[in-house]
Amino acid sequence: QSVLTQPPSVSGAPGQRVTISCSGNTSNIGADNDVHWYQHLPGRAPKLLIFADTNRPSGVPDRFSGSKSGSSASLAITGLQADDEADYYCQSYDTSLSGCVFGGGTKVTVL
Amino acid sequence: QVQLVESGGGVVQPGRSLRLSCAASGFRFNNYGMHWVRQAPGKGLQWLTFTSYDESNKYYSESVKGRFTISRDNSRNTLYLQMNSLRVEDTGVYYCARSSSPRAGLYYWGQGTQVTVSS
Repeated sequence: QSVLTQPPSVSGAPGQRVTISCSGNTSNIGADNDVHWYQHLPGRAPKLLIFADTNRPSGVPDRFSGSKSGSSASLAITGLQADDEADYYCQSYDTSLSGCVFGGGTKVTVL
Repeated sequence: QVQLVESGGGVVQPGRSLRLSCAASGFRFNNYGMHWVRQAPGKGLQWLTFTSYDESNKYYSESVKGRFTISRDNSRNTLYLQMNSLRVEDTGVYYCARSSSPRAGLYYWGQGTQVTVSS
């Protein structure tokens, strides 16, 4: 059981918009700790997509966006493409645990 | 460019020890904190431990506290993970990753090294 809760899977047709939720509590996201998002393809190194809730590293398309409200955060992917098929993880810091926590991951399928 | 290369993985029996290394290049290693993260077969990413740039602050997940030790040699640009009392459930791919602090994003990751704990 992960500290941060994500849906196991989401899917969408090419060109559509999908969102992935990440629910935490008052010790992590709700404690105003930053939320970060990663894309992970099998056999590859995870890639940072969004840092500090809403910021994209250079080179990440603006089709990816992040938001946060209260103890939850979301990742949105617009203009869904075939190579967006991957696992996506949210991550934050948990003040009570004194360490980082990941969500369980969400598999994105492009129909 | 930034490169992180893990090594030291392999097959080990339960109860034995293993030390992983992460060789860093392309940036000033002694300016950054470093993490270890693993992925068990069929599971998601699990954060294990973090060390600050000077080892003054270290954090561990409950699952490895007391068994695993993170350390670094800034003169060799290398991060280590000493894993003792290994269990079958420690099997997985182990990644090192760079970040500026335990609260910051993990900006760069290595490709990972496979650890299999089996009798």
